[in-house]
Amino acid sequence: AQSVAQPEDQVNVAEGNPLTVKCTYSVSGNPYLFWYVQYPNRGLQFLLKYITGDNLVKGSYGFEAEFNKSQTSFHLKKPSALVSDSALYFCAVRGLNNNNDMRFGAGTRLTVKP
Amino acid sequence: DAGVTQSPTHLIKTRGQHVTLRCSPISGHKSVSWYQQVLGQGPQFIFQYYEKEERGRGNFPDRFSARQFPNYSSELNVNALLLGDSALYLCASSLASGQGGQPQHFGDGTRLSIL
Repeated sequence: AQSVAQPEDQVNVAEGNPLTVKCTYSVSGNPYLFWYVQYPNRGLQFLLKYITGDNLVKGSYGFEAEFNKSQTSFHLKKPSALVSDSALYFCAVRGLNNNNDMRFGAGTRLTVKP
Repeated sequence: DAGVTQSPTHLIKTRGQHVTLRCSPISGHKSVSWYQQVLGQGPQFIFQYYEKEERGRGNFPDRFSARQFPNYSSELNVNALLLGDSALYLCASSLASGQGGQPQHFGDGTRLSIL
């Protein structure tokens, strides 16, 4: 069965500094990996995905993520954080053989301080 | 274009009652999935429907059921409500089923509170 782990409940960074939100996954075969962001009282917004190809994936709002197969990780990154990036971030995985069940991590709360 | 719309936005019920939540997908999207998000946790997969057929089911009791209509909108029904059913219920749509690399697009959810 596929699963994801987000080892940090909370990440705090200063505005303008780089940010990293960590995610590791477990899946049989090649994974489909996703990052979503959730603002208060809202649904999840899609940021980016990895299916195949380049290990560095670029997404919305300046975010990018690096797929590392040997470490089974898919960390979310941004070179320069904004206060408006403060939100809840979720990593999700779909296994190649189970297209209908997307598994989400528990989420990481990112706080960017001015 | 409108995104995924869910109704109602908030709902308060008491234990033992039943509830129906509604979802309209993005125009052109034929697949609808339902998720339960308990406070402080990530969304948990409940159902996926495509072309009015159930294509996936998560680990939820039979009190939970859903259906999809010819216009691709969907309803989630929960019977015999328990306190533990209090959560944000999210609907997500995508173009098709069986294409795991497609992202899902989420509505803002229905906040269900059980008293």
